[in-house]
Amino acid sequence: NAGVTQTPKFRILKIGQSMTLQCTQDMNHNYMYWYRQDPGMGLKLIYYSVGAGITDKGEVPNGYNVSRSTTEDFPLRLELAAPSQTSVYFCASSSPQGARFDRTDTQYFGPGTRLTVL
Amino acid sequence: AQTVTQSQPEMSVQEAETVTLSCTYDTSESNYYLFWYKQPPSRQMILVIRQEAYKQQNATENRFSVNFQKAAKSFSLKISDSQLGDTAMYFCAFDPYGQNFVFGPGTRLSVLP
Repeated sequence: NAGVTQTPKFRILKIGQSMTLQCTQDMNHNYMYWYRQDPGMGLKLIYYSVGAGITDKGEVPNGYNVSRSTTEDFPLRLELAAPSQTSVYFCASSSPQGARFDRTDTQYFGPGTRLTVL
Repeated sequence: AQTVTQSQPEMSVQEAETVTLSCTYDTSESNYYLFWYKQPPSRQMILVIRQEAYKQQNATENRFSVNFQKAAKSFSLKISDSQLGDTAMYFCAFDPYGQNFVFGPGTRLSVLP
């Protein structure tokens, strides 16, 4: 059981390039998330998904796209990379159980991807 | 808007001593979850402890415990018998509804030998 895995670990992009950050979880979790963490700051939610085929915007979605074709995978696409997207990106997953106020809300995080846009 | 505040950007503690990290949050919800996450230099986010708002009893996990004051919207983390491996950034997180966590800005804890 690997948990949440992310690739690549590091990447340097030039302004205007595109790339996809991969995220895979093997815990059969319905919910998956993408966060970014800027230097010295907390995490901000980019996009999330409550199941295959369903995605929704978080706090900072501009400049990113996601898809969720399977339960396991939740890739994050950067189009036209900008220096403002230099950050560490975390993928996470969780599996709510039962009714709204009787559930497991723990999010399991991947190791992160450090992205630099020059 | 839901917010989480951690008023201590940095703290230090001697090995084997006890330290308390503070967290306050703002919400109009009555039922929610609160979390403390640890982020060591490896950057991975690791769950430390979790508290459900409808439970009056404070959560404990080995050397980690919380002081949850619902009326004051306060959720502090106490680390007893601090160890060098506890050196990390600590984030308080709040789940007001659904699954979209709100994270605080973090407290950098250094455990000194």
